[in-house]
Amino acid sequence: DVVMTQTPVSLSVAIGQPASISCKSSQSLVGTSGKTYLNWLLQRPGQSPKRLIYLVSKLDSGIPDRFSGSGSETDFTLKISRVEADDLGVYYCLQGTHFPLTFGSGTKLEIK
Amino acid sequence: EVKLQQSGDELVRPGASVKMSCKASGYTFTDYAMHWVKQSPGQGLEWIGTIIPLIDTTSYNQKFKGKATLTADKSSNTAYMELSRLTSEDSAVYYCARFYFDYWGQGVMVTVSS
Repeated sequence: DVVMTQTPVSLSVAIGQPASISCKSSQSLVGTSGKTYLNWLLQRPGQSPKRLIYLVSKLDSGIPDRFSGSGSETDFTLKISRVEADDLGVYYCLQGTHFPLTFGSGTKLEIK
Repeated sequence: EVKLQQSGDELVRPGASVKMSCKASGYTFTDYAMHWVKQSPGQGLEWIGTIIPLIDTTSYNQKFKGKATLTADKSSNTAYMELSRLTSEDSAVYYCARFYFDYWGQGVMVTVSS
């Protein structure tokens, strides 16, 4: 199985400051189609996960452009340029290239 | 508006089975596969498997083979997951999610207790 290693485990960030989360996969996530099926999800407290970014860097509709995704092959990053109070929760990376699909272990973002 | 409405929370006895549902609306049910995901208390997310309603084909995480059975009813736009021979390890929240993980159900909390 592809292991998704997320760091840090937790992050405390002041409003207006940037945040960055890393996700490294144990093998390349480039699929046979040439596409890289790497998603970022946010699970707010008491809610279902919500997809923020797909195909490494494509923002979902309604997601502010404070969020950005980058990376390739095995190394991926989610960045928030200016954290807002609504951003708190647990962020997960998810790879959809190889079966079984696997998630990172999560990064808890707290507001300082 | 796309919506995945899951059935209610369940309290079940050890050794029993439970079947939960995920009713899709707002899109053509057979156009997308449906995933099921487990979240154990205070833990992360695990992919259980996927069903393609159009052709009734399933793909399972090896870890959940024999534990989970995925089915779909095209006439009612509903996906189902049955969990069998329940133990305390199966106590968790279970989500359905549309194929691209762009829409999720609200989750079903399953508690296995005598």
